[in-house]
Amino acid sequence: EDQVTQSPEALRLQEGESSSLNCSYTVSGLRGLFWYRQDPGKGPEFLFTLYSAGEEKEKERLKATLTKKESFLHITAPKPEDSATYLCAVQYGSRLTFGEGTQLTVNP
Amino acid sequence: KAGVTQTPRYLIKTRGQQVTLSCSPISGHRSVSWYQQTPGQGLQFLFEYFSETQRNKGNFPGRFSGRQFSNSRSEMNVSTLELGDSALYLCASRWGSSYNEQFFGPGTRLTVL
Repeated sequence: EDQVTQSPEALRLQEGESSSLNCSYTVSGLRGLFWYRQDPGKGPEFLFTLYSAGEEKEKERLKATLTKKESFLHITAPKPEDSATYLCAVQYGSRLTFGEGTQLTVNP
Repeated sequence: KAGVTQTPRYLIKTRGQQVTLSCSPISGHRSVSWYQQTPGQGLQFLFEYFSETQRNKGNFPGRFSGRQFSNSRSEMNVSTLELGDSALYLCASRWGSSYNEQFFGPGTRLTVL
């Protein structure tokens, strides 16, 4: 059975303090790993898709990387508006299996 | 391009009632998936519809059902509501392939009293 584990559960940073979020997975035949951002009371917002080990994608202060067993979401010089829950999900067939998320708080 | 829309945004029901939620996908998207999100279980897959056919189903009881119309709009129905059905119900659409990203709507917040 597919499993996705995210760590840490919660992370508190000062503005400008870079860090990384981890997503480890066990799935037979990865068909894609997805990162989403979710603000309270809203639906997840798509950030990145990664398909193969070694792949990297960037968007503003975020950079996602993928290995054979885990993915990292690197946040460089975060701002308070980056505060949200970050979710990763793996795709098996047509369904997504989500991790529990990392709740990120960036203090000014 | 308009995003995924869901109606209603909020619902309050009592135990034993049934409820129907609606989802309109992004124009041109033929696949619609439904997810349940709760604080304890996180985001869990309910089912996916593609071209009016259920293509995949999660591990939920038969009280949860859905359908998709020819215009790709989708509805999900929950019968005989239980307190534990209180959750944020999210709809997501994608263009077609199994391997491209899904875009989520804002969700319907269902409260069962």
